[in-house]
Amino acid sequence: EAQVTQNPRYLITVTGKKLTVTCSQNMNHEYMSWYRQDPGLGLRQIYYSMNVEVTDKGDVPEGYKVSRKEKRNFPLILESPSPNQTSLYFCASSHRTGIVTDTQYFGPGTRLTVL
Amino acid sequence: AQTVTQSQPEMSVQEAETVTLSCTYDTSESDYYLFWYKQPPSRQMILVIRQEAYKQQNATENRFSVNFQKAAKSFSLKISDSQLGDAAMYFCAYRRDGGSQGNLIFGKGTKLSVKP
Repeated sequence: EAQVTQNPRYLITVTGKKLTVTCSQNMNHEYMSWYRQDPGLGLRQIYYSMNVEVTDKGDVPEGYKVSRKEKRNFPLILESPSPNQTSLYFCASSHRTGIVTDTQYFGPGTRLTVL
Repeated sequence: AQTVTQSQPEMSVQEAETVTLSCTYDTSESDYYLFWYKQPPSRQMILVIRQEAYKQQNATENRFSVNFQKAAKSFSLKISDSQLGDAAMYFCAYRRDGGSQGNLIFGKGTKLSVKP
């Protein structure tokens, strides 16, 4: 089954404790992206990757890191989480932009709470 | 910069009736994609329908259809024969065609309630 998976689905942590949210897709997509969703703000892009070893900042990158060492995986790293990073996080993937069928597929979301 | 506006924070519809959700966007691009996503209580983002800007014909997917007015930069979603399972947050989204950045730009969402 074609899908995007994220782990963990729920995470409660404390300020300053490094964490990683994993994202994996099995559709051989070049493009992967991370979004955060906050009430009243909709979804905003954090980072994206056009292909292996190619990443770039989205609209709200502060406090986050990413890496793309393999095509299928795109982990989101919070080196020193803070309470303002409490949010719902989505990973998404698609074929590279410019192709007609470049619909983004979303993972199930990760609910992060930073105390 | 591109923006997407959903002017209806909440909408309500009677089961089996029809409802239309509004979306407007601002862009100087001529080629782009527009999407409607559904987010049920499970929080997963589910693609409902997609429209390519170069296509004049409005997209349709079963009970879901859009009214795409390119000149007016309007992209509304019509849900016919509403069902209880249609209750969810609905997000309109814009994506430019090509270029180095292909992120989706989302509206703030419309919460749809379906009354039995």
